Amino acid sequence: DAGVTQSPTHLIKTRGQQVTLRCSPKSGHDTVSWYQQALGQGPQFIFQYYEEEERQRGNFPDRFSGHQFPNYSSELNVNALLLGDSALYLCASSVTGAPTEAFFGQGTRLTVV
Amino acid sequence: AQTVTQSQPEMSVQEAETVTLSCTYDTSESDYYLFWYKQPPSRQMILVIRQEAYKQQNATENRFSVNFQKAAKSFSLKISDSQLGDAAMYFCAYRWDAGGTSYGKLTFGQGTILTVHP
Repeated sequence: DAGVTQSPTHLIKTRGQQVTLRCSPKSGHDTVSWYQQALGQGPQFIFQYYEEEERQRGNFPDRFSGHQFPNYSSELNVNALLLGDSALYLCASSVTGAPTEAFFGQGTRLTVV
Repeated sequence: AQTVTQSQPEMSVQEAETVTLSCTYDTSESDYYLFWYKQPPSRQMILVIRQEAYKQQNATENRFSVNFQKAAKSFSLKISDSQLGDAAMYFCAYRWDAGGTSYGKLTFGQGTILTVHP
């Protein structure tokens, strides 16, 4: 079982650009959540996808958007990048309706210069 | 809104000794889960232990145990017989129990860096 995989592992972008991060959930998982973790801080919830729809959203601007595909994989898109968007982006997968816990990927380190 | 507070930015312990990490939370809900996650330098968040709020008995997982005080909204983690591999950032997290299902956002504390000295 490959677990939760995220790509790329590291990324450097210029302010104002757009970025897409990808996540493949653990086998059998149908729900994907995205978190932003600033350096030295705890993760902050961005949003969650289930059945290809955004089910919950945290306090993040519309520049942050996502998508879930029929195979349950997900993308996180960030437009008009700001220096403050530099962070570790974590993806977590889980199973809706089952008493299972979320499994996390190793994250994508995004640096905006 | 739910909040989770970890008041110890850093803690250290000697190998084979015991250490306790503190966490307090605030919620108006009665049904929820509490978790401790470990994040080593590899960055992957690993679940250490979980506690259902309706259970009075404190959860234990091998060397890891919690002291759950629901009225005080306190949830501490005790690591016994500390090992070098326990060194990591530890996060306390809260999730509202949405009818017993596993979906729903996790609210994390700020984290505690644990150093283990040989």
